[in-house]
Amino acid sequence: AQKVTQAQTEISVVEKEDVTLDCVYETRDTTYYLFWYKQPPSGELVFLIRRNSFDEQNEISGRYSWNFQKSTSSFNFTITASQVVDSAVYFCALSEVRYNQGGKLIFGQGTELSVKP
Amino acid sequence: NAGVTQTPKFRVLKTGQSMTLLCAQDMNHEYMYWYRQDPGMGLRLIHYSVGEGTTAKGEVPDGYNVSRLKKQNFLLGLESAAPSQTSVYFCASSRLAGGWDIQYFGAGTRLSVL
Repeated sequence: AQKVTQAQTEISVVEKEDVTLDCVYETRDTTYYLFWYKQPPSGELVFLIRRNSFDEQNEISGRYSWNFQKSTSSFNFTITASQVVDSAVYFCALSEVRYNQGGKLIFGQGTELSVKP
Repeated sequence: NAGVTQTPKFRVLKTGQSMTLLCAQDMNHEYMYWYRQDPGMGLRLIHYSVGEGTTAKGEVPDGYNVSRLKKQNFLLGLESAAPSQTSVYFCASSRLAGGWDIQYFGAGTRLSVL
């Protein structure tokens, strides 16, 4: 069965520190997609990144970077030089690929990041 | 640029009462989803729809019903609310199915059942 584990429930850092949020997933599928979403204090979920199982290239977007390693079934998220505005709950999610069916997202438990000034 | 809009934002119910949560999207997306978010459990899929007039069960469908009479709207109903349904409910939509497309979420509805 598919499963996503975010072992870090809460992380607290001081502004400008780097922080890595861990995500480990389980799936028997060879084709799948991984996502990260951000949930700021206002409550909405904001899409950050999508990665398919055939693309292990790391990605960098400004202060954000993602490290995808199929060998360890991990899709970790690093924020460089964290800022107070990064304070949020971050969710990692796994999606089955089922043609012509709704794409079910399997979410991890979420990691609450607190960045203090 | 509304995206996905959920109403109401907050609601308090007494056990046994009924209510309907409305989700509306203006992106002409074919696929829509209802999730619930509980502390320490992430989001779990309740029901989803692959098109107008169609619905299907997700991971935790018991106690909920849904309808998709119009492409842009997806309704979630609670016929007889229970305290276990106290949660934050999120609606999402995606253009494509299959699991590879990005799901766009509404701002959520916080429901308390007393």
